Amino acid sequence: DAGVTQSPTHLIKTRGQQVTLRCSPKSGHDTVSWYQQALGQGPQFIFQYYEEEERQRGNFPDRFSGHQFPNYSSELNVNALLLGDSALYLCASSKGQGRYEQYFGPGTRLTVT
Amino acid sequence: SQQGEEDPQALSIQEGENATMNCSYKTSINNLQWYRQNSGRGLVHLILIRSNEREKHSGRLRVTLDTSKKSSSLLITASRAADTASYFCLTPGGAGTALIFGKGTTLSVSS
Repeated sequence: DAGVTQSPTHLIKTRGQQVTLRCSPKSGHDTVSWYQQALGQGPQFIFQYYEEEERQRGNFPDRFSGHQFPNYSSELNVNALLLGDSALYLCASSKGQGRYEQYFGPGTRLTVT
Repeated sequence: SQQGEEDPQALSIQEGENATMNCSYKTSINNLQWYRQNSGRGLVHLILIRSNEREKHSGRLRVTLDTSKKSSSLLITASRAADTASYFCLTPGGAGTALIFGKGTTLSVSS
């Protein structure tokens, strides 16, 4: 059973560009949450998707958007990239809107130049 | 603001010693989870303790929860160099809100 997978592993973008990150949840999980982790900091919650809808959202601007597909996989889109968006983006899957254990993917390292 | 706050921020010990780190939170919770992260990689789930539990064990890990003090502790016994990592607690931010990580405790275990 594959765990949570994320793609790509690393990504370099230029300021102003747009980026899409992808996540496939662990088998049997229906909820996907996205986190941003800056160097030396704890993960910051971006949003959570359940039943193809955004259910919860952290303190992130509208430049951050997402989508969940019928197979429970998810995308994170960031528009108009800023230097400050450089971070490790983590995807976590769980059952039942995060009331249970979350399983994390290895992350996507985004560098904005 | 952070819902969970770990203490201390950094901890350095020798192999074989015990390591204790604490987490405080602000609102009522249904459960509290501890995670480990090695060198900026993905987080690994260690243990989940529910609000009606006071103590839970998993191998060399012991977690306690005191809901009256809104705090939890993670004890790693007989530490190993491989335990070197950052440890985070994760709590729900309140009814209908997001799961919130603390800033983490960085544990260094030297041989």
